Amino acid sequence: EAQVTQNPRYLITVTGKKLTVTCSQNMNHEYMSWYRQDPGLGLRQIYYSMNVEATDKGDVPEGYKVSRKEKRNFPLILESPSPNQTSLYFCASRFTSDSNYGYTFGSGTRLTVV
Amino acid sequence: QKEVEQNSGPLSVPEGAIASLNCTYSDRVSQSFFWYRQYSGKSPELIMSIYSNGDKEDGRFTAQLNKASQYVSLLIRDSQPSDSATYLCAANSGGFKTIFGAGTRLFVKA
Repeated sequence: EAQVTQNPRYLITVTGKKLTVTCSQNMNHEYMSWYRQDPGLGLRQIYYSMNVEATDKGDVPEGYKVSRKEKRNFPLILESPSPNQTSLYFCASRFTSDSNYGYTFGSGTRLTVV
Repeated sequence: QKEVEQNSGPLSVPEGAIASLNCTYSDRVSQSFFWYRQYSGKSPELIMSIYSNGDKEDGRFTAQLNKASQYVSLLIRDSQPSDSATYLCAANSGGFKTIFGAGTRLFVKA
């Protein structure tokens, strides 16, 4: 089944404790992206990757890191999480960077930082 | 002006009616447009895409794009209670970014 897999689904952590949210897709998609979703603000793009070893900042990159060493994986790293990073996170992929393609989303990761 | 704007709703329609969802966008995002459906507690799901002026139909869904007026709409014919969800409008800019509106909640009353 074609899908984007995120782990974990739920995570509660403490301020300052480094964490990684994993994302993997099995569709051979070139383009991958991370979004956070907050009430009233909608989905905001954190980082995106056009292909292996090609990443760039979205609209809200502060406090996050990403890497793309393999085509199928695009982990999101929070080096020192803070309470304002409490949110619902989605990984998404699409076939290419071509703007005419829409996304397939992962199931989401609900992160709480206390 | 936000780059992609939607009325948050809720929009309430009776079962069998046409639901009309609207989205406006700024000059910064003007290439291709998408509608996603998001059920409560679930991830967004792509339902329609549109790139050219005019209408595009897919089953009970019709997307409409008017570049001169900078709006995109989604019509859902014969609305069903299972259509109750939040509908997200999204636009791809000339670069690599995709911008989402905050979403419109639709409620279809049985």
